[in-house]
Amino acid sequence: DIQMTQSPSTLSASVGDRVTITCRASQSIGTWLAWYQQKPGKAPQLLIYKASTLETGVPSRFSGSGSGTEFTLTISSLQPDDFATYSCQHYYNYFRTFGQGTKVEIK
Amino acid sequence: EVQLLESGGALVQRGGALTLSCAASGFTFSTYAMSWVRQAPGMGLEWVSALTDNGDATYYTDSVKGRFTISRDNSKNTLFLQMSNLRAEDTAIYFCTKAAYCGPTSCPFDSWGQGTLVTVSS
Repeated sequence: DIQMTQSPSTLSASVGDRVTITCRASQSIGTWLAWYQQKPGKAPQLLIYKASTLETGVPSRFSGSGSGTEFTLTISSLQPDDFATYSCQHYYNYFRTFGQGTKVEIK
Repeated sequence: EVQLLESGGALVQRGGALTLSCAASGFTFSTYAMSWVRQAPGMGLEWVSALTDNGDATYYTDSVKGRFTISRDNSKNTLFLQMSNLRAEDTAIYFCTKAAYCGPTSCPFDSWGQGTLVTVSS
């Protein structure tokens, strides 16, 4: 199985900060990577697919990059609504594994 | 608007069985692959099982193979997950998800239900 490793596990930041989360795959997955945002008590929401394509309605302050085994999610200017947990997921094959999640907390 | 409504979650004893359902609406259910994803309390997301649009292929994570069965009824726009021989580590919120933006072999999930809680007591 392909393992997905995110870093950091927790990130403390302030409104307006630029935030970067990293996701590494245990083998090359091309650009078959998605990012999700999840708030407490809610279902995850798709933010980005194919490593860098924003889902409809997602603010442009979110961006994704990377290919192969290393990927990043960047929030250019953190907003109050962005404090949440972010998870990456590969879809290179049907056995789609997630990263363990990165919680973005208020500093 | 896409809606996925899970039901069937409950408190069940170790070794017991349960069937989850997911009622779908707002899209042509029979043309989309579907999956179940779970989240144990305080933990990350774990993909559990997937089913192609016509149900001819199924996939499972190793920890549930032989115990869980995914199926669908396209005439009723409903996805199922039959769970048996339940273990404490199966305790989680189970989400029904719809696939979209597919690559050559697989897809991320563009829609999620709100989840249904399965608690396995030991």
